Amino acid sequence: KNEVEQSPQNLTAQEGEFITINCSYSVGISALHWLQQHPGGGIVSLFMLSSGKKKHGRLIATINIQEKHSSLHITASHPRDSAVYICAVRPGNQFYFGTGTSLTVIP
Amino acid sequence: GAVVSQHPSRVICKSGTSVKIECRSLDFQATTMFWYRQFPKQSLMLMATSNEGSKATYEQGVEKDKFLINHASLTLSTLTVTSAHPEDSSFYICSAVSGNTEAFFGQGTRLTVV
Repeated sequence: KNEVEQSPQNLTAQEGEFITINCSYSVGISALHWLQQHPGGGIVSLFMLSSGKKKHGRLIATINIQEKHSSLHITASHPRDSAVYICAVRPGNQFYFGTGTSLTVIP
Repeated sequence: GAVVSQHPSRVICKSGTSVKIECRSLDFQATTMFWYRQFPKQSLMLMATSNEGSKATYEQGVEKDKFLINHASLTLSTLTVTSAHPEDSSFYICSAVSGNTEAFFGQGTRLTVV
């Protein structure tokens, strides 16, 4: 049983497209994180959310606590956005991770 | 914002040798740090919880004699993979908790055992 489910697992988009990645979770949480993992493995934390919406550049993250759902949006996608995007939730101090969404943006 | 530094980012070692990975909280004191491992095509899985000044708590199935965790100070936890084998090749990442609120990730370490 996965506490965190992401969709889609794989996503291919044309440069410039608007992209949405979804994350649903089954546990009560104190925070949700969106992470980016580039080929080669390094992880970058994009957002930490406990409510509402956050925006950073072309990235937007939203969370609905009642529905236990979060979305990560990328506007005007670019090939450099190609990476694996991972949703992680914190019920307490430790994290539960989704399996990730592999995004490929084609020029 | 708070930063967690993990070092090295990549390491290649020979089978049978030991490798140490460091996780440092740079601008806050981390009473608890967590170590995760990523298996191919799977999500990151918790290996152990590291509390400053006490023994680490290992998840079921994680060999504590193979994956030695030390949390000697409030800003540093280390994971040592002892007598590494090719099946230990993986991506390891730490996270650090500041108080009971904020949590931050290291960048991860890609270990390759040849």
